[in-house]
Amino acid sequence: QSVLTQPPSVSAAPGQKVTISCSGSSSNIGNNYVSWYQQLPGTAPKLLIYDNNKRPSGIPDRFSGSKSDTSATLGITGLQTGDEADYYCGTWDSSLSAVVFGGGTKLTVL
Amino acid sequence: EVQLVESGGGLVQPGGSLRLSCAASKFTFSSYAMSWVRQAPGKGLEWVSSISGSGGNTYYADSVKGRVTISRDNSKNTLYLQMNSLRAEDTAVYYCAKPGYSSSWSRNYDYWGQGTLVTVSS
Repeated sequence: QSVLTQPPSVSAAPGQKVTISCSGSSSNIGNNYVSWYQQLPGTAPKLLIYDNNKRPSGIPDRFSGSKSDTSATLGITGLQTGDEADYYCGTWDSSLSAVVFGGGTKLTVL
Repeated sequence: EVQLVESGGGLVQPGGSLRLSCAASKFTFSSYAMSWVRQAPGKGLEWVSSISGSGGNTYYADSVKGRVTISRDNSKNTLYLQMNSLRAEDTAVYYCAKPGYSSSWSRNYDYWGQGTLVTVSS
């Protein structure tokens, strides 16, 4: 299983808000920056959030990130059907000396 | 905009070898460390390997250490992944990825290629 723990799936209605959690430890999330990636079906991952809470240019402010202790959260407001995708958290793990990712969360917009 | 184009994937028998390439453009390739990240069918992302901008430092996941060699040719703006002793569990789409910071290869990846599929099967 993955070093970072994410819920396998989340769902919400269009226009609503959803949060996706990413749980780790002091060797990864607790002492390193977290990034989030969106992977639409059949495409490559895309950077959504970096350095815990920063958005690359072009990413709408409907997407937000936060970190507290050994957990991180991705928030998406004003859900759209186009947001249906897999979402992954990632960070550096000092104990493993490796980049680690969560197992991914499938977002369904009902 | 930054472009990363992978090639070299295909069907290979267990125990075989394959060399993947990633052609980079629209950024100063030699200034950035580069990475390979893979995704097995229906599974999540797994970091495979990274290499510093000069090529002098390399890093590997335990799952591939000793079987995989990452390299780069800065004169050709190309990243490589030589994969030997391939196993069924190496079957995946392999992405090359550029870090968001030239000073850190592990902090985040702001550009990804479209991926190349490697299938290890007899």
